[in-house]
Amino acid sequence: AQTVTQSQPEMSVQEAETVTLSCTYDTSESDYYLFWYKQPPSRQMILVIRQEAYKQQNATENRFSVNFQKAAKSFSLKISDSQLGDAAMYFCAYRSAITGNQFYFGTGTSLTVIP
Amino acid sequence: EPEVTQTPSHQVTQMGQEVILRCVPISNHLYFYWYRQILGQKVEFLVSFYNNEISEKSEIFDDQFSVERPDGSNFTLKIRSTKLEDSAMYFCASRFGQGRYNEQYFGPGTRLTVT
Repeated sequence: AQTVTQSQPEMSVQEAETVTLSCTYDTSESDYYLFWYKQPPSRQMILVIRQEAYKQQNATENRFSVNFQKAAKSFSLKISDSQLGDAAMYFCAYRSAITGNQFYFGTGTSLTVIP
Repeated sequence: EPEVTQTPSHQVTQMGQEVILRCVPISNHLYFYWYRQILGQKVEFLVSFYNNEISEKSEIFDDQFSVERPDGSNFTLKIRSTKLEDSAMYFCASRFGQGRYNEQYFGPGTRLTVT
């Protein structure tokens, strides 16, 4: 079964600085997707960024980028120029491209942005 | 932008009582999901639903759980006889299709507290 591990329950970053959130996963599949979701307090989960396993190029979305290391099964999220609105719980998730029906989530990393 | 909505945001119930959690998926979506997150643990898949029937369910989704799409807009999760360990955040999600680029959109969650 697929597992997703986020080893950092909490992280903090100074406003305008850069922070990296870690995620590792385990799968025997070769075709899959990886995601980072952001969940602000009492609000819904929002897709931040997505990576397709067959693409070598790391995904980027404005200030958010990933470091996808397929061989190492590592998928970290880098947030540049951190803003107060980035404060949230961040979940790493995996979805098979073959079965594709369900997500496997990590336990989340709570990010605090310090003014 | 269309959103998945869930009601109530917080539900408190006594052990042994039935509870119904409600979700309104995005209107043109065809696939519906429930996930739960026990405090401090991973978000876990419960069930997926398509064409008025369950397409996949996890081990967690036992006989005390049921899902229904009673009309064209709502998608409900019923827990027949709640237990203390059912206390969790329950997330609904919906998806347009099964293709590569059809992602799940999550609702804000319902916090269920069983006393």
